[in-house]
Amino acid sequence: SQQGEEDPQALSIQEGENATMNCSYKTSINNLQWYRQNSGRGLVHLILIRSNEREKHSGRLRVTLDTSKKSSSLLITASRAADTASYFCATGSSGTYKYIFGTGTRLKVLA
Amino acid sequence: DGGITQSPKYLFRKEGQNVTLSCEQNLNHDAMYWYRQDPGQGLRLIYYSQIVNDFQKGDIAEGYSVSREKKESFPLTVTSAQKNPTAFYLCASTPRYRGLGANEKLFFGSGTQLSVL
Repeated sequence: SQQGEEDPQALSIQEGENATMNCSYKTSINNLQWYRQNSGRGLVHLILIRSNEREKHSGRLRVTLDTSKKSSSLLITASRAADTASYFCATGSSGTYKYIFGTGTRLKVLA
Repeated sequence: DGGITQSPKYLFRKEGQNVTLSCEQNLNHDAMYWYRQDPGQGLRLIYYSQIVNDFQKGDIAEGYSVSREKKESFPLTVTSAQKNPTAFYLCASTPRYRGLGANEKLFFGSGTQLSVL
């Protein structure tokens, strides 16, 4: 089952612009994570936000979490061509060691 | 360097054949996972293991089998019963802290692309 639904499915922006992608989920969670995947490669962890946190920053990344709406957003500021990749959210819950991934957003940053 | 190694990078399966994908980690992680990714899609969980000699089915386990005889290794066998095996397979691991559930970041291998001849 796919816990997370992400939108948009695809996003194309100019270098220097900000990119925002959203993730919605269905069940109670104890954390939400964002991953990046370059074409044909494995996933790389970007940031983890716990259910008792509302916002987290890491470099040019800003993540927000709204547990009442069961949604999260990832903002990439001042995007670069090297940010071109697919971005996935994943949720973890208490009582299980399963991580459930969303469907992903394909980001293309044009130089 | 610590990490997760998947091999081979590309694998071809003939009809009726079983094939095994290798996943080895030297991160001393207890938990290991296998995911399947179809083109343009998200990741779907096949099997996961929290500890040696124990594993659980994920959402799409039919046609697959695993073993966890050593902490470092979690091989995945794609059996002939899996009629649509063409996909990108990803192995991941994470520390397991008892009682906290899925609460840590995942470390991924570089993947194996499986195709049918």
